[in-house]
Amino acid sequence: TQLLEQSPQFLSIQEGENLTVYCNSSSVFSSLQWYRQEPGEGPVLLVTVVTGGEVKKLKRLTFQFGDARKDSSLHITAAQPGDTGLYLCAGPSFNQAGTALIFGKGTTLSVSS
Amino acid sequence: NAGVTQTPKFQVLKTGQSMTLQCAQDMNHNSMYWYRQDPGMGLRLIYYSASEGTTDKGEVPNGYNVSRLNKREFSLRLESAAPSQTSVYFCASSLRQSQISNYGYTFGSGTRLTVV
Repeated sequence: TQLLEQSPQFLSIQEGENLTVYCNSSSVFSSLQWYRQEPGEGPVLLVTVVTGGEVKKLKRLTFQFGDARKDSSLHITAAQPGDTGLYLCAGPSFNQAGTALIFGKGTTLSVSS
Repeated sequence: NAGVTQTPKFQVLKTGQSMTLQCAQDMNHNSMYWYRQDPGMGLRLIYYSASEGTTDKGEVPNGYNVSRLNKREFSLRLESAAPSQTSVYFCASSLRQSQISNYGYTFGSGTRLTVV
């Protein structure tokens, strides 16, 4: 069974600080995705990483896919209150019936001003 | 574009009651999914539909049934609600299963269900 483990589970920081969130698995994934979920809303896709070692930047957010494609990280530079939310990593899981995404349990980020 | 629309947004049921959660997408996506989200458990797949006319069980299908009414609509039915089904339910869609690795899901805003 493929599992995605995220750490830390909770993170509370001050505006302007940097942080890194991790997503790890013992399985190889063809790609990993990061979503952000705000209270009362559904998750929204931030980025997909496909190639081992790939680094993608989205403004102050930097996403990295591990060389072995078993892990990924999300680094936020100079966090702002608007970054507050639940960050989820997800990867495709293949079985006989088809393909669906499995999700990590998420990291809840709180940024205070 | 509305994207993925879920109704209702909130619902309280008594144990044993039945209800149907509705989901519709207007993006011409082929694949649709139902997840439940519980504290400490993350998002778990209940059922999915790779294309119109097909449905398959996910990780936690017991107590639920689904109907892919047409390409746009995918409903989730609780025949006899139990307190363990108290959760937030999310519907999602993707262009097709083979492309979720690249394009991911579009989610609805969820249905918050409480069973008392």
